[in-house]
Amino acid sequence: AQRVTQPEKLLSVFKGAPVELKCNYSYSGSPELFWYVQYSRQRLQLLLRHISRESIKGFTADLNKGETSFHLKKPFAQEEDSAMYYCALKRVNAGGTSYGKLTFGQGTILTVHP
Amino acid sequence: DAGITQSPRYKITETGRQVTLMCHQTWSHSYMFWYRQDLGHGLRLIYYSAAADITDKGEVPDGYVVSRSKTENFPLTLESATRSQTSVYFCASKGGGEQYFGPGTRLTVT
Repeated sequence: AQRVTQPEKLLSVFKGAPVELKCNYSYSGSPELFWYVQYSRQRLQLLLRHISRESIKGFTADLNKGETSFHLKKPFAQEEDSAMYYCALKRVNAGGTSYGKLTFGQGTILTVHP
Repeated sequence: DAGITQSPRYKITETGRQVTLMCHQTWSHSYMFWYRQDLGHGLRLIYYSAAADITDKGEVPDGYVVSRSKTENFPLTLESATRSQTSVYFCASKGGGEQYFGPGTRLTVT
């Protein structure tokens, strides 16, 4: 079974400090991983996906298959980064199809202090 | 208004009552999903649908029923609400490899 673990429920940093939100996964196939973000009073939205290899709002995430991790990093945190962050893995059924179903981690609430 | 919408946004109901949460999307996406969001559990998939009249269970389907008679609508029904179903419910649809989420419905069961 697929599993996504975000070990930190809460993470606090000061503005300008580096931030790393941890995500580990267990999955027997080839994973497709995502980071979703939910800002206060807003809906959940996609932040980035590993296959895109892009940087969004200064955030990057590298898939490390050896360590089964997909940590989200930003070198200089901003106050507007304060939000709930979810790591998610795209699931694949036994027959090889996925229907796009996602398994989410427990989420990490990031607070960036001024 | 284009996008994905949910109604009601807030609902308080009593134990044992039937409640239906509505989800509507205007993109004609084939795939739609229902999640519940609980602290410490993240988002958990309740039900999903690959197309009209095709639905299947997710991780936590017990106590819920879905239907999909039209592509754009995917209602979620709590047949007999329990306090453990107090949660925030999110509907999503999938397009272009990405899931788009609705604004959520905060349900309280007293």
